[in-house]
Amino acid sequence: SQTIHQWPATLVQPVGSPLSLECTVEGTSNPNLYWYRQAAGRGLQLLFYSVGIGQISSEVPQNLSASRPQDRQFILSSKKLLLSDSGFYLCAWSVGGSGANVLTFGAGSRLTVL
Amino acid sequence: AQKITQTQPGMFVQEKEAVTLDCTYDTSDPSYGLFWYKQPSSGEMIFLIYQGSYDQQNATEGRYSLNFQKARKSANLVISASQLGDSAMYFCAMREAERDDKIIFGKGTRLHILP
Repeated sequence: SQTIHQWPATLVQPVGSPLSLECTVEGTSNPNLYWYRQAAGRGLQLLFYSVGIGQISSEVPQNLSASRPQDRQFILSSKKLLLSDSGFYLCAWSVGGSGANVLTFGAGSRLTVL
Repeated sequence: AQKITQTQPGMFVQEKEAVTLDCTYDTSDPSYGLFWYKQPSSGEMIFLIYQGSYDQQNATEGRYSLNFQKARKSANLVISASQLGDSAMYFCAMREAERDDKIIFGKGTRLHILP
């Protein structure tokens, strides 16, 4: 069966510090991978998605970036965090190529920027 | 431009009553899929139900059903016989075939079930 791991679960970082959130999927190959951000009490904002190694589509460029160095690994990064980067970050995967394939989410990473 | 609209930021419903959560969407793609997810206070995202644009019948999954009105571009979630455990945030989402790998969400509705 497929599983998705996301870490760290919680993170408190000062403004201007770097960020790295990691996500890995097991039990499948060539998944579509997604990063979403949820601000406190708000909806899910799509940040990046990837349909293959090295292929990243950006929805919200800002000061965040994403990379997919391996088929089942997706990394969200920032060189300098802003206060507005605080939120709940969710990684998700799905099988590509068919509208019926649902997103399966990781447990999330709660980031607080001070 | 926002393509998924959930107009109810919050709802309070008495236990055992039916609940309808609204979702409207905007797309010019004839082929698309609509999803509903539940997010309890723990933060996990739980898939509830899926409706394809070409599906002839409304989707149902246990106590969940999707009231799909294609001409109105509406995909409301109906929860029958609500339970205390249904208290959560609910999100509507859409995937468009021409942009098959992009899935966008609405802002959500926070549902409170009252005992």
